[in-house]
Amino acid sequence: DTEVTQTPKHLVMGMTNKKSLKCEQHMGHRAMYWYKQKAKKPPELMFVYSYEKLSINESVPSRFSPECPNSSLLNLHLHALQPEDSALYLCASSQVGGRMETQYFGPGTRLLVL
Amino acid sequence: KQEVTQIPAALSVPEGENLVLNCSFTDSAIYNLQWFRQDPGKGLTSLLLIQSSQREQTSGRLNASLDKSSGRSTLYIAASQPGDSATYLCAVASTSGTYKYIFGTGTRLKVLA
Repeated sequence: DTEVTQTPKHLVMGMTNKKSLKCEQHMGHRAMYWYKQKAKKPPELMFVYSYEKLSINESVPSRFSPECPNSSLLNLHLHALQPEDSALYLCASSQVGGRMETQYFGPGTRLLVL
Repeated sequence: KQEVTQIPAALSVPEGENLVLNCSFTDSAIYNLQWFRQDPGKGLTSLLLIQSSQREQTSGRLNASLDKSSGRSTLYIAASQPGDSATYLCAVASTSGTYKYIFGTGTRLKVLA
């Protein structure tokens, strides 16, 4: 199983809402990533978890709050978002977060903030 | 600061053609380079990963080459098919700074039947 799953596929939320994005993998990977991709732009890294610990935060605003409850799950909690946060949010995983690894990507959650 | 550029930005070819996509990066100090495919509104699928010590990798009709010293990689697609239509992204993992992938701007490929 080389699949990374993400739910929901689509999400529409208001600026005062609180919502969460979920990502799951069952490949035994110990590194998981959140990327943000705006339309017609390349993905940009947001967070990296390695062995369930946050190892990289690319200066992401605090209205995005990641959580890694166990080695298979990665959440992204959203609160008080702005319309410019509308984007495709991609989750990825790799074996341990090493420099020689392939990253496996999920299908993404398309987020629209009104 | 590593910058990754892909040329052309868009490409339209008839079915059966062999084609080359280009990726350039400004800092040759890299761990690896990866080529991805992205279908509209979808996630990324890894096609080929080339380590910094390698010159090329092959998978089926795809061949990727890496010239670290000149900061270039090419993705060669043989006998293109309409199913190859997608956006192709290259991503570079630099040795300097935080380890992460820097993605190129992508090439939107359309293969006409």
